[in-house]
Amino acid sequence: SQKIEQNSEALNIQEGKTATLTCNYTNYSPAYLQWYRQDPGRGPVFLLLIRENEKEKRKERLKVTFDTTLKQSLFHITASQPADSATYLCALLIYNQGGKLIFGQGTELSVKP
Amino acid sequence: GAVVSQHPSRVICKSGTSVKIECRSLDFQATTMFWYRQFPKQSLMLMATSNEGSKATYEQGVEKDKFLINHASLTLSTLTVTSAHPEDSSFYICSAHPPNTVLDEQFFGPGTRLTVL
Repeated sequence: SQKIEQNSEALNIQEGKTATLTCNYTNYSPAYLQWYRQDPGRGPVFLLLIRENEKEKRKERLKVTFDTTLKQSLFHITASQPADSATYLCALLIYNQGGKLIFGQGTELSVKP
Repeated sequence: GAVVSQHPSRVICKSGTSVKIECRSLDFQATTMFWYRQFPKQSLMLMATSNEGSKATYEQGVEKDKFLINHASLTLSTLTVTSAHPEDSSFYICSAHPPNTVLDEQFFGPGTRLTVL
């Protein structure tokens, strides 16, 4: 079965530094991988999507890479700010199943001023 | 972006009672909606896919007779937790996407916190 893993340990970094989060998957070659942000007690909010044939995607201070050989995606936040503190989830989009997503357990990021 | 709402945001009920949670797409029609459950410090687990006009598709291990899903219209799906027990206490979240965007982002509701006493 499909399995997706994120570093379960919380990531603590200093403001201004780059945060790098890891997402690894097994047993499946996804067509799309998505990253979401979730604040406590709220639903996830979409951040970025990267396709199987793309190696990198950027949006403002966010960057996502996708290595289908390593079965890994990296999520970077440059010039991090305390407001970036949240839990970040990666998700595999299951192709041909109507948009079904399988989520990793999330990595909690804390940016200290 | 598209907006998905849920109601109620919080509900506390006694063991053995049934609870209904609504998921609405406010500015688009959704033939498909998804229901997730999230326990503290854990990931979102897909429970079922709600299909407008047909039966829901449940994930393995999810009891369809306990978690009743009704997708009555193109903007409303409901999840009813029947005979709720304390172990059903969790954060329930729905999601949907506008037509012809199945491969793009999904829009999530704000979630419903269910506490069963």
